[in-house]
Amino acid sequence: EVQLVETGGRLVQPGGSLRLSCTASAFTFSSSNMNWVRQAPGKGLEWLSYISSSSLSIYQADSVKGRFTISRDNAKNSLYLQMNSLRVEDTAVYYCARSQLAAFDIWGQGTMVTVSS
Amino acid sequence: QSALTQPASVSGSPGQSITISCTGTSSDVGGFNYVSWYQQHPGKAPKLIIYDVFKRPSGVSDRFSGSKSGNAASLTISGLLPEDESDYYCSSYTSRSSWVFGGGTKLAVL
Repeated sequence: EVQLVETGGRLVQPGGSLRLSCTASAFTFSSSNMNWVRQAPGKGLEWLSYISSSSLSIYQADSVKGRFTISRDNAKNSLYLQMNSLRVEDTAVYYCARSQLAAFDIWGQGTMVTVSS
Repeated sequence: QSALTQPASVSGSPGQSITISCTGTSSDVGGFNYVSWYQQHPGKAPKLIIYDVFKRPSGVSDRFSGSKSGNAASLTISGLLPEDESDYYCSSYTSRSSWVFGGGTKLAVL
């Protein structure tokens, strides 16, 4: 079954750091472009970051530029999101998603990040 | 990048058709044929139902259709079913090599 599974979400204090992981199965991860998308409680979807299959191209939303870093390890079928200087407003469910051209066709189940003191 | 504009809610009766609008700018919706639509049930991950403005992924009902005119895109659901009650989001690729989502529309099937 084609699947993405996110892990790493937890409660963290403001100013803290966290690394999320996303593991892919049953599709060719190494040739897939990947993204992180988040959803604050009761709010809409927000695209955060994109990384091409070879890691040569990386794009980020202004809201996380300089604080969040996307990366991948194709040998481990894994995508990562390093989040630094976390703020209360970063509290959200974080999804990884594959993009085919410009649409997000495979999504994980999400992992919850709570930033609170 | 501002979010695309969607109505907060729409409603319809079983069997009817509804349309959800998604308005952007020439830098996103109007500039690319890369509008996609997602269905999200409570507590679940979004599901792609329309891509490249009007194309349907395999397995998605042909009751779902998409279109675009200028800076505005639309999702139409015909023959409403109770299970269509959900949140719907549009998305567009942008001229800044980024993606932007709409604020979401809650569909009620009354």
